[in-house]
Amino acid sequence: ETGVTQSPTHLIKTRGQQVTLRCSSQSGHNTVSWYQQALGQGPQFIFQYYREEKNGRGNFPPRFSGLQFPNYSSELNVNALELDDSALYLCASSYVPGQGPGANVLTFGAGSRLTVL
Amino acid sequence: GQQVMQIPQYQHVQEGEDFTTYCNSSTTLSNIQWYKQRPGGHPVFLIQLVKSGEVKKQKRLTFQFGEAKKNSSLHITATQTTDVGTYFCAGGPKYNFNKFYFGSGTKLNVKP
Repeated sequence: ETGVTQSPTHLIKTRGQQVTLRCSSQSGHNTVSWYQQALGQGPQFIFQYYREEKNGRGNFPPRFSGLQFPNYSSELNVNALELDDSALYLCASSYVPGQGPGANVLTFGAGSRLTVL
Repeated sequence: GQQVMQIPQYQHVQEGEDFTTYCNSSTTLSNIQWYKQRPGGHPVFLIQLVKSGEVKKQKRLTFQFGEAKKNSSLHITATQTTDVGTYFCAGGPKYNFNKFYFGSGTKLNVKP
């Protein structure tokens, strides 16, 4: 089975620009969650998509938006970039609802490291 | 809002010593997961605990979920250099068990 892949791996933007990050979920998974991880911090929940519908949102401004496509891949869009948006953006896929040992386990991609200058 | 606190922030041990990290939630959880992130890597799932008072073991790692389902711990016996990394707990709130809120992590350094 293929894992979670994210692109691009690294990118540099300037303040005020917009960015789109992409994620292909693991085969068989139907849910994608996006996290922001600042240096030395734990991942912070941005939002989650379940079967193309947004299924909850963390404490992030509307500049952060997303999509999930019929094949369960996903995009994270950030508008009007700020310096504090510099972070590792992690995508995690999972299968929900589920029972058994593998249910609801987050499988993370390697992340997209965004630097805002 | 949902808050998950984790202590200590850092732990430096000599190889062979034990290590414990603690996780506390401000609200009752549906379940809790533990992840390990190696330097420069991404979080990798270790285990999920669901039941009140649950204890699970994976070789040298012991995971506990509190009776009130608000706290958890990870204990590593006889650390090895391969245990180096940051350990995160992630709480699944009762109202939506699949949206996980991560603690700030405990960074473990093991000296050979």
